[in-house]
Amino acid sequence: ETGVTQSPTHLIKTRGQQVTLRCSSQSGHNTVSWYQQALGQGPQFIFQYYREEENGRGNFPPRFSGLQFPNYSSELNVNALELDDSALYLCASSLPGTSDTQYFGPGTRLTVL
Amino acid sequence: AQTVTQSQPEMSVQEAETVTLSCTYDTSESNYYLFWYKQPPSRQMILVIRQEAYKQQNATENRFSVNFQKAAKSFSLKISDSQLGDTAMYFCAFSQRASGGSNYKLTFGKGTLLTVNP
Repeated sequence: ETGVTQSPTHLIKTRGQQVTLRCSSQSGHNTVSWYQQALGQGPQFIFQYYREEENGRGNFPPRFSGLQFPNYSSELNVNALELDDSALYLCASSLPGTSDTQYFGPGTRLTVL
Repeated sequence: AQTVTQSQPEMSVQEAETVTLSCTYDTSESNYYLFWYKQPPSRQMILVIRQEAYKQQNATENRFSVNFQKAAKSFSLKISDSQLGDTAMYFCAFSQRASGGSNYKLTFGKGTLLTVNP
C-alpha cells in the first residue's frame, strides 16, 4: 500500500511569487487536508478537500487555495508569497467514514526569500 | 476555540526507562478524538495512538499507552521501555469537525521534544 506522497521536497521562492504544492493521497483515501507547520510550532489547519470541493477552512487568507482531482490527489496554491509563508507544508489523507484519523505525507519545505 | 496545551517543551529519558508526556485540551464538544503523533528529524508525522472520547478505556499500542481523563480534559502519553528510535517531537492533537464542513480537522499542541539517551 502506497502512503501519502508530496512533491516537491524543497522549494525556494521569492516574495510575491506563486507556488503550487502537490499531494497524492494514500490508496483508498478520499479526503485530503493541508497543514502549515512553522518552525518550532505544531501544524495549523489550512483547509480540507472532499469530493473535489473545499470542505472546511482554517484561518488562512484567500491567497491560499486548493484543488482536488478525481483520483483524490490535491494541490495547494499560494499566491503573492510573503516571508511568513516559509514553513513545512503537510498533506494528510483519510479513509471514507473515518476522516477523524489522518495520515501524513513527508511534507514540502517552502522557503520564501 | 479549541486549544491543545503541551506544557513540557523538552524531556529526556534513559533507554529502557518509562516516560510520560502531558497534554491538556479545551473544548465544548462532546464528540471528538485525541491523538499522539510523532515527528522524527525526517519530519514525517507518524500516528502513534488514537483515543475516542466516548470510550472510557485507555488506548494502547505496544509500548505506547495513554491516560485519558475526560473530566479533567487531560490526555497523557506513556512510553515504556524507551528506545533510541523514540527520539522525536511528539504532538498531541484534537480532532473535531471542520468549520463549514462535514469532516474532521486536527488541532495540534506545540509539541514536546523527547530525547532518549543511551
